[in-house]
Amino acid sequence: KAGVTQTPRYLIKTRGQQVTLSCSPISGHRSVSWYQQTPGQGLQFLFEYFSETQRNKGNFPGRFSGRQFSNSRSEMNVSTLELGDSALYLCASSSSGTPTDTQYFGPGTRLTVL
Amino acid sequence: AQTVTQSQPEMSVQEAETVTLSCTYDTSESDYYLFWYKQPPSRQMILVIRQEAYKQQNATENRFSVNFQKAAKSFSLKISDSQLGDAAMYFCAYRTDPRYTGNQFYFGTGTSLTVIP
Repeated sequence: KAGVTQTPRYLIKTRGQQVTLSCSPISGHRSVSWYQQTPGQGLQFLFEYFSETQRNKGNFPGRFSGRQFSNSRSEMNVSTLELGDSALYLCASSSSGTPTDTQYFGPGTRLTVL
Repeated sequence: AQTVTQSQPEMSVQEAETVTLSCTYDTSESDYYLFWYKQPPSRQMILVIRQEAYKQQNATENRFSVNFQKAAKSFSLKISDSQLGDAAMYFCAYRTDPRYTGNQFYFGTGTSLTVIP
């Protein structure tokens, strides 16, 4: 079974631009979560989608948004990029979000904002 | 809000020896789940071990075991017979009960483990 894939792996943008990151979960998984990883803040939860609905959201500004498609693939969008948005963005999928589910992480997208 | 604290930013261990990584958390919930994840230099996060709070028995996965102290809100990871491939960043994570709050995880800041040959 293929693992979680994220595209692109690396991205360089300038302040004020917008960016879209993509995540393809493991086949059959319906829950997709997004995390931001920075050296200073560590791993922080962004949001979770389940069956095309946002089920939970972390404490991030509205510039961060996401969506999930009917095939469970998910996209994350960041508008009006700031220097502080430079981070590794990780996506994780799980089967259905039940208590015994295991989250499987993708390799991440490294975003650099200049 | 839930917080997860890993007080050891860096640890080292001799190959074949045992090392324990510490983790404490703060919560007012009674049902939750605790995890240790490993992130090798290649960056792909891998689940090491999981513990359900309602289970008193400590979880074990081969050379990895936990010491779960619910009253003390402590969840340490013991790695026995350390191998070079164990070198990685280790993250402790707390998960809320998804029946009530979805699939939200809270992560500690990580412990970088070095294995000395």
